[in-house]
Amino acid sequence: GQSLEQPSEVTAVEGAIVQINCTYQTSGFYGLSWYQQHDGGAPTFLSYNALDGLEETGRFSSFLSRSDSYGYLLLQELQMKDSASYFCAVYNFNKFYFGSGTKLNVKP
Amino acid sequence: DTEVTQTPKHLVMGMTNKKSLKCEQHMGHRAMYWYKQKAKKPPELMFVYSYEKLSINESVPSRFSPECPNSSLLNLHLHALQPEDSALYLCASSQVGWDDGTDTQYFGPGTRLTVL
Repeated sequence: GQSLEQPSEVTAVEGAIVQINCTYQTSGFYGLSWYQQHDGGAPTFLSYNALDGLEETGRFSSFLSRSDSYGYLLLQELQMKDSASYFCAVYNFNKFYFGSGTKLNVKP
Repeated sequence: DTEVTQTPKHLVMGMTNKKSLKCEQHMGHRAMYWYKQKAKKPPELMFVYSYEKLSINESVPSRFSPECPNSSLLNLHLHALQPEDSALYLCASSQVGWDDGTDTQYFGPGTRLTVL
């Protein structure tokens, strides 16, 4: 089976840095993706890690350790518009499996 | 163009109605998906089409009937739904074959369905 665990909620202040962790257990693994979803909106792709290490895309970075079955999304210089739910996801056997999601609250 | 479009945006239907949700993409993606999402929950996979053929049905009740008329279109036909089927229905598309490391799904804005 597939299992992805994330914290349910994280709160941080504007301008700060926040890290959202994801641990996974899968029977097969190609890579770890991250999606952002604002309330009432659709998920949007943020990043993908197939190999160990850090991928940086602007204010967002994502990290993967395949040996630890662990990854994280790092958001820097937080802005109010970053308040959203963040899902990690893995692809396996033609399916995408999503974690339960982390609600990020950014406060002024 | 990285857009997936869905119609309608909102739909209210009775339990005896028949309606259809539509999804369209022009990115040349050959995999298309239907997801159901309840509030504060992750998207839940319903169906996967690969090269216009149904490849995965996640034990979805027969009152949901998918259709892929061509490589750009995906429909979800609804009949005799229950109030618990009220949810956001998301369509997504992606490349088929992820061995090159690409693993990106593009989601449409969703259809907010309410069953009375």
